[in-house]
Amino acid sequence: EIVLTQSPDTLSLSPGERATLSCRASQSVSSSYLAWYQQKPGQAPRLLIQGASTRATGIPDRFSGSGSGTDFTLTISRLEPEDFAVYYCHQHGSSPSTFGQGTRLEIK
Amino acid sequence: QVQLVQSGAEVKKPGSSVRVSCKASGGTFSSYAITWVRQAPGQGLEWMGGIIPIFGTANYAQKFQGRVTITADTSTSTAYMDLSSLRSDDTAIYFCARAPGGFCSSGICYWYYAMDVWGQGTTVTVSS
Repeated sequence: EIVLTQSPDTLSLSPGERATLSCRASQSVSSSYLAWYQQKPGQAPRLLIQGASTRATGIPDRFSGSGSGTDFTLTISRLEPEDFAVYYCHQHGSSPSTFGQGTRLEIK
Repeated sequence: QVQLVQSGAEVKKPGSSVRVSCKASGGTFSSYAITWVRQAPGQGLEWMGGIIPIFGTANYAQKFQGRVTITADTSTSTAYMDLSSLRSDDTAIYFCARAPGGFCSSGICYWYYAMDVWGQGTTVTVSS
């Protein structure tokens, strides 16, 4: 099973700042099968990024994904108030599919 | 536009079973991959397994093997997740989610796409 480790666990930033979230895999993940989700309290997760770097439909361009192999990054260029949430990386190329433990992005 | 609507909250006794349904509207149900993900209170997301109805094949996370069964009824565009021998640590929100496709061969499924549509979640509480 591929273990995904996200860092940091919690990130405290202010609106307008840049956020960089990391996801490290225990073994190589094909870029095609690495996704990022955003989850707000009481809601289902929402797909942000698929294929490591492709924004899902309707996702603002301040969200970007990058990386390959075992190291992947989600960047939010300028934080908006609605971006404060929990973010999960997810690999679906190797069975079982697995999620990272999540990074909580909180307002500083 | 694809939508997934799940069944309502459940309260179950330890040792019993629960069935959660996930009805899809829009799109071609049989060609989707439907996966089930759960989230314990205050915890992260946990992949339980999934099914690709057009192949009639389900795969499960090792942790749930023998306790979970995922099925799909293409005539009603509904997927089901049955979890047996419930314990208190099965208390969680259970989500179904759709990926636009996938492939199964020799009993192994390949989840080619990320999950782009999610159900609203079903709370399952296991308590004596």
